[in-house]
Amino acid sequence: KNQVEQSPQSLIILEGKNCTLQCNYTVSPFSNLRWYKQDTGRGPVSLTIMTFSENTKSNGRYTATLDADTKQSSLHITASQLSDSASYICVVSAGGSTLGRLYFGRGTQLTVWP
Amino acid sequence: NAGVTQTPKFQVLKTGQSMTLQCAQDMNHNSMYWYRQDPGMGLRLIYYSASEGTTDKGEVPNGYNVSRLNKREFSLRLESAAPSQTSVYFCASSEARPGFREKLFFGSGTQLSVL
Repeated sequence: KNQVEQSPQSLIILEGKNCTLQCNYTVSPFSNLRWYKQDTGRGPVSLTIMTFSENTKSNGRYTATLDADTKQSSLHITASQLSDSASYICVVSAGGSTLGRLYFGRGTQLTVWP
Repeated sequence: NAGVTQTPKFQVLKTGQSMTLQCAQDMNHNSMYWYRQDPGMGLRLIYYSASEGTTDKGEVPNGYNVSRLNKREFSLRLESAAPSQTSVYFCASSEARPGFREKLFFGSGTQLSVL
């Protein structure tokens, strides 16, 4: 069964600290993996999109990694800010006969305290 | 730039009532989508339109209909609302078609409650 699992479910960190969010998936065949940030009451905003040939991608203080062999991805946030408080959603796009089918994780709720 | 605009932002319906959620994008995108987001679950695709003039069912289409009015607008209709349709609805658009590394741009959502 194609699934996307994220951990932890929630995380609290202090402003200025780093953190890493995890995403494990079983989607096959695989096309690409995305990370989205969703602020409370808003729609998700794209952070990164990676194919299996891209094992690292950065967007400012956000760095995503992908290990297509182990089917794991992580999102590392450096020097966190209060504005980083949001839900971070991992999304895997399927390939093959189900090309374009997106599988959404449930998200990790990050809270940054001052 | 407005991006993707959804109306209304909030709506309360009684069981059996009908309504249409409106969505418009000003980015000249080819593809548009409707998702629903329920507590503790990932977003689920209701319907999508890969290009103007086409619509296709997503993961959870039952109880919904859509219309791609033109390239800019994609509406979602609930013909007879049910409590199970209480959710937050998101419209999204992308320049590329589904399956081609399409970057989705989402609206701010519609909070719908069906009593």
